[in-house]
Amino acid sequence: NAGVTQTPKFQVLKTGQSMTLQCAQDMNHEYMSWYRQDPGMGLRLIHYSVGAGITDQGEVPNGYNVSRSTTEDFPLRLLSAAPSQTSVYFCASSYSTDLFDSGANVLTFGAGSRLTVL
Amino acid sequence: AQSVAQPEDQVNVAEGNPLTVKCTYSVSGNPYLFWYVQYPNRGLQFLLKYITGDNLVKGSYGFEAEFNKSQTSFHLKKPSALVSDSALYFCAVRDQNSGYALNFGKGTSLLVTP
Repeated sequence: NAGVTQTPKFQVLKTGQSMTLQCAQDMNHEYMSWYRQDPGMGLRLIHYSVGAGITDQGEVPNGYNVSRSTTEDFPLRLLSAAPSQTSVYFCASSYSTDLFDSGANVLTFGAGSRLTVL
Repeated sequence: AQSVAQPEDQVNVAEGNPLTVKCTYSVSGNPYLFWYVQYPNRGLQFLLKYITGDNLVKGSYGFEAEFNKSQTSFHLKKPSALVSDSALYFCAVRDQNSGYALNFGKGTSLLVTP
């Protein structure tokens, strides 16, 4: 079981460039999400999805797009990179969103993608 | 809006002593509370959660947390700290009225010294 796989692990971009951070899970999890982690700010939710074809915005969605065409994949697109998007990005998934399901919100995290925008 | 606060950026404890990492929350409905741990250069790992029932929740690696509704707190505790417990700890909350997402606190760095 690979769990949650994020690629790339490291990326350097120039301001204005676009790129996609890939996230794939092989656990048949219905819920997937993207967070960014910045020093002193903790983790902030960018976008999330509760199933294929369904996405919603989190706390800091501006500058990012997502789509969920399959259960397994949840890519995060940076449309026009800015230095403020320099961060470590984490993809996380869980089996269920039903609060009274034992798997609800028990997130499995990927190893992270460190992005630097110059 | 739902939020959690972790008032301490860092907690220092000697090995073998009890440890507490503090968390308070603010939600509009019933709170559903979580603790996660992050080791260096890794993603976060689930420790424990409170949904309903007993206020004292036991989790992985000997950690436990106590839900206190009157004080809106969910402090993480361990009776005897290990050096290997040194990591970054995050409290998170989900509010039944605010959808599916977990909102995380800023994190508390725990340092356990030999």
